[in-house]
Amino acid sequence: QVQLVQSGAEVKKPGASVKVSCKASGYTLSSYGVSWVRQAPGRGLEWMGWISANNANTNYAQNFRGRVTMTTDTSTSTAYMELGSLRSDDTAVYYCARGTYNDFWGQGTLVTVSS
Amino acid sequence: DIQMTQSPSTLSASVGDRVTLTCRASQSISSWLAWYQQKPGKAPKVLIFQASSLQSGVPSRFSGSGSGTDFTLTISSLQPDDFATYYCLQYSSYPRTFGPGTKVEIK
Repeated sequence: QVQLVQSGAEVKKPGASVKVSCKASGYTLSSYGVSWVRQAPGRGLEWMGWISANNANTNYAQNFRGRVTMTTDTSTSTAYMELGSLRSDDTAVYYCARGTYNDFWGQGTLVTVSS
Repeated sequence: DIQMTQSPSTLSASVGDRVTLTCRASQSISSWLAWYQQKPGKAPKVLIFQASSLQSGVPSRFSGSGSGTDFTLTISSLQPDDFATYYCLQYSSYPRTFGPGTKVEIK
């Protein structure tokens, strides 16, 4: 069965970077792109960007351009999202999701940014 | 960027009610719209894609309609498991954008 398993919770200081992983199983990562979506506490869903797993093309939301990097490693079926220059308002649960309309989601990774 | 709005922001309903949630896009997105259900502390779950296609495994009481700029999600007979927040997503163009959500709560 299709599964996306994300890395564990992180606590970071302002100005630092965080790298979240998303390991895919039950399908071939290179056959589908991966979106990253975040949700701040008590808030709605925010689309961060997309990576095409077969050619690594990316498309990032304006809010994150220059701070976010999305990559994939097809040899390990893992997608990554790295967010830099962290601020307190980056505290959120970060999700990866499969494909054009996000038919499968990871369980989420809580990233807390606090001094 | 395409802006998505949803109404109402909160809906109070009873088990067995027929409920209709609305999502509107700021410009035409054809049928490139998905609906998600999210419960507290859980990842979203896709219900509908391409505006009206029911995702495999989703109960048939959920249905979607619309095209262009106006879309609806209908739950034909609300069940206890359906109390949650519902989001729409346009995937017609980049950046993808979510609506702000509709919370369906118990009346």
